[in-house]
Amino acid sequence: QQQVKQSPQSLIVQKGGISIINCAYENTAFDYFPWYQQFPGKGPALLIAIRPDVSEKKEGRFTISFNKSAKQFSLHIMDSQPGDSATYFCAARATGSQGNLIFGKGTKLSVKP
Amino acid sequence: EPEVTQTPSHQVTQMGQEVILRCVPISNHLYFYWYRQILGQKVEFLVSFYNNEISEKSEIFDDQFSVERPDGSNFTLKIRSTKLEDSAMYFCASSDDLAGYNEQFFGPGTRLTVL
Repeated sequence: QQQVKQSPQSLIVQKGGISIINCAYENTAFDYFPWYQQFPGKGPALLIAIRPDVSEKKEGRFTISFNKSAKQFSLHIMDSQPGDSATYFCAARATGSQGNLIFGKGTKLSVKP
Repeated sequence: EPEVTQTPSHQVTQMGQEVILRCVPISNHLYFYWYRQILGQKVEFLVSFYNNEISEKSEIFDDQFSVERPDGSNFTLKIRSTKLEDSAMYFCASSDDLAGYNEQFFGPGTRLTVL
């Protein structure tokens, strides 16, 4: 069964610190890896995404690092802010899929002021 | 900024009843999806829809579920005979298949409670 394993389940970071969330997968036929941010009572919102032909993608304070050989990818949030407190989901899409995203279990991030 | 909208925000129903969850995808999008999220768990894919037909569905999407695009703007999910375990948040998403990577934009969800 295709799976995306996400860790940690929860994370507490001080304001200004770096938040790191990790994901690992088994299916080598994944071709798209988005990260979603979800606030309570809201739907997941696309934060940043990467394709397996690059090892890193940065957008503002958010960076995805991708290690194809290890089948791992991670989200780094630099200079974490209390407004970043949310649940973060990594996801993956299988090549040839019609958009079926397989989500990780989520990481609840709390950034303390 | 265009967004996916969903109605109702909360639906309470009795077990065995039919429910219809409604979504208005972003207007120029062509691909539509339903996902669900049981409280405290991960988001799970249900079905994708393109060109007026189902393009992919998960094991969860059994004969009790159906989808429809009844007009040019709405996209609906029907559950024929609800079960207690159907209680979840249901998210609609849409995509314009930009660059072929189906960047999906999610609606705010409908919380379905089956009693």
